[in-house]
Amino acid sequence: SQTIHQWPATLVQPVGSPLSLECTVEGTSNPNLYWYRQAAGRGLQLLFYSVGIGQISSEVPQNLSASRPQDRQFILSSKKLLLSDSGFYLCAWSVRGLVGYEQYFGPGTRLTVT
Amino acid sequence: GIQVEQSPPDLILQEGANSTLRCNFSDSVNNLQWFHQNPWGQLINLFYIPSGTKQNGRLSATTVATERYSLLYISSSQTTDSGVYFCAVVTRAGSYQLTFGKGTKLSVIP
Repeated sequence: SQTIHQWPATLVQPVGSPLSLECTVEGTSNPNLYWYRQAAGRGLQLLFYSVGIGQISSEVPQNLSASRPQDRQFILSSKKLLLSDSGFYLCAWSVRGLVGYEQYFGPGTRLTVT
Repeated sequence: GIQVEQSPPDLILQEGANSTLRCNFSDSVNNLQWFHQNPWGQLINLFYIPSGTKQNGRLSATTVATERYSLLYISSSQTTDSGVYFCAVVTRAGSYQLTFGKGTKLSVIP
């Protein structure tokens, strides 16, 4: 069966510091990968998605970036964090190449920028 | 973009009661999912239901795509059902983006 891992689980970082969040998927090949953010309140917002190694699409302009160095690895980064970057970051995967297929989420990383 | 509205925003139930959560969306969709977010933040997949009816234990869901709404039914609620329930959709426009509603916060009290 497929599993998705994220780390770290929680992170407290000062404003202006760099960020690296990692997501890996096991048990599937060539998945679509996604980064979402859930800010204070309830809604989730798509930040980035990737349909293959090195292929990244951004949905929201911001000071975050994403990379996909390996087929089942997705990394979210920032060079300098802002207070507004605080939130709950979730990685998700779905079957590759199929728009509209079911997405599955990881356990999330709770980021607090101080 | 597509609008996703969930109702009610908050719901308090006595253990054993039944409930219906509603999700309205403003455009045609080719994916609709219901999730339960537990107190630890984990999003748990409940249903993938762009149309039709599905049942899983005490939970069932119905999507009427032509009328642009979906319903999630919870029967004989338990305290472990507490949390936030999200509806999320992908439009037919070719986007990969799941657009989420704001959720329904359910509290089941003993």
